[in-house]
Amino acid sequence: EPEVTQTPSHQVTQMGQEVILRCVPISNHLYFYWYRQILGQKVEFLVSFYNNEISEKSEIFDDQFSVERPDGSNFTLKIRSTKLEDSAMYFCASTLLWRGVSNTEAFFGQGTRLTVV
Amino acid sequence: GQQLNQSPQSMFIQEGEDVSMNCTSSSIFNTWLWYKQDPGEGPVLLIALYKAGELTSNGRLTAQFGITRKDSFLNISASIPSDVGIYFCAGQRLANYAGGTSYGKLTFGQGTILTVHP
Repeated sequence: EPEVTQTPSHQVTQMGQEVILRCVPISNHLYFYWYRQILGQKVEFLVSFYNNEISEKSEIFDDQFSVERPDGSNFTLKIRSTKLEDSAMYFCASTLLWRGVSNTEAFFGQGTRLTVV
Repeated sequence: GQQLNQSPQSMFIQEGEDVSMNCTSSSIFNTWLWYKQDPGEGPVLLIALYKAGELTSNGRLTAQFGITRKDSFLNISASIPSDVGIYFCAGQRLANYAGGTSYGKLTFGQGTILTVHP
């Protein structure tokens, strides 16, 4: 069964460093998302991406965050200067997108655990 | 922002018992979804509900989309040890984008931690 894959599974970084989290969405999906989950809390939306541009972003997604689809398969989340409070699980998700209304589910990756020290 | 209130926060039950959890919102959603998350894993979709009043089953799971479109419940019948995990409800709205209309971001509830004692 097709799946969303994320790398690395765990990343430890020093405060102030840049990190790039990588995702390979399901191949025929066109709509991509990043969510994060602070330990013990709910999953929170960060950003959605379609047709090489951001469709929607939350207030969490400030200037320190950026997303990119550098090639036909990868979808990345960059945090320019990490803070302690960026420590969380980061989930990538993807969906099909049809013209018109699509009843489609979001498939989530296994997540990247980011620890900022 | 949009808030989903999910209850209960946690449940401790004996194997074989039925479980019920629910979510409420102050605003309307077009879709309600229920996910399960195992430790260290991403959320996995259990049931998706697309119409107000819809009642859908998936094995021992049954979920309903409230008629007001502001609430949903999930029932698990005859629980087994592998039902252990965190269950999240999520609401979704239609959004218009350049490529057409699709479902936008998911808004998650706070989660229900389920523990099943053998």
